[in-house]
Amino acid sequence: DGGITQSPKYLFRKEGQNVTLSCEQNLNHDAMYWYRQDPGQGLRLIYYSQIVNDFQKGDIAEGYSVSREKKESFPLTVTSAQKNPTAFYLCASSPQLGQGARETQYFGPGTRLLVL
Amino acid sequence: DAKTTQPNSMESNEEEPVHLPCNHSTISGTDYIHWYRQLPSQGPEYVIHGLTSNVNNRMASLAIAEDRKSSTLILHRATLRDAAVYYCILRDLNSGGYQKVTFGIGTKLQVIP
Repeated sequence: DGGITQSPKYLFRKEGQNVTLSCEQNLNHDAMYWYRQDPGQGLRLIYYSQIVNDFQKGDIAEGYSVSREKKESFPLTVTSAQKNPTAFYLCASSPQLGQGARETQYFGPGTRLLVL
Repeated sequence: DAKTTQPNSMESNEEEPVHLPCNHSTISGTDYIHWYRQLPSQGPEYVIHGLTSNVNNRMASLAIAEDRKSSTLILHRATLRDAAVYYCILRDLNSGGYQKVTFGIGTKLQVIP
């Protein structure tokens, strides 16, 4: 079955530690995205990538970094500079670069990050 | 960006129809109306989208007002599995390339057995 996988489901971070969240898709989608969701809140965009080796900052990129070395993979690193990382992180992809309004985003199951 | 307004929460009895409203009074002529839903502890999933005409699919129906300033997502028979947060968002046809998707707080639907 095609889809988006995120791992791990739960992740614990110690103070001063960098952690990396995995996101893989086998849908052959061009664009991929990372969102953060805090309890009772909507989704906020962290980073997005339209093609391999290219990515752009979203609304809350500070303290995060990404890479897009392969079309199917878009890992997110939460660095020690992110002072409040506890949240639910969602990865998404969309199939049609350039279709704008018609594009549908497909989401992964999410990773819940907790700070020890 | 054009904004949407939704009620924070709604209740429905199981097996009854549900009408989830969305106001978008500043919508432009090139904005598509999209609906997603998010089940507890899961990622959002696409439900339906439309531009001007009413739309139907296996999950739901979308009724769009003639002036396009509001729309309604219709679940024909609510089940317990439909309990989720429903998001109404606008996407600009003229954006080209990537356009940021803004998910607000949405409407939390509770289905009562």
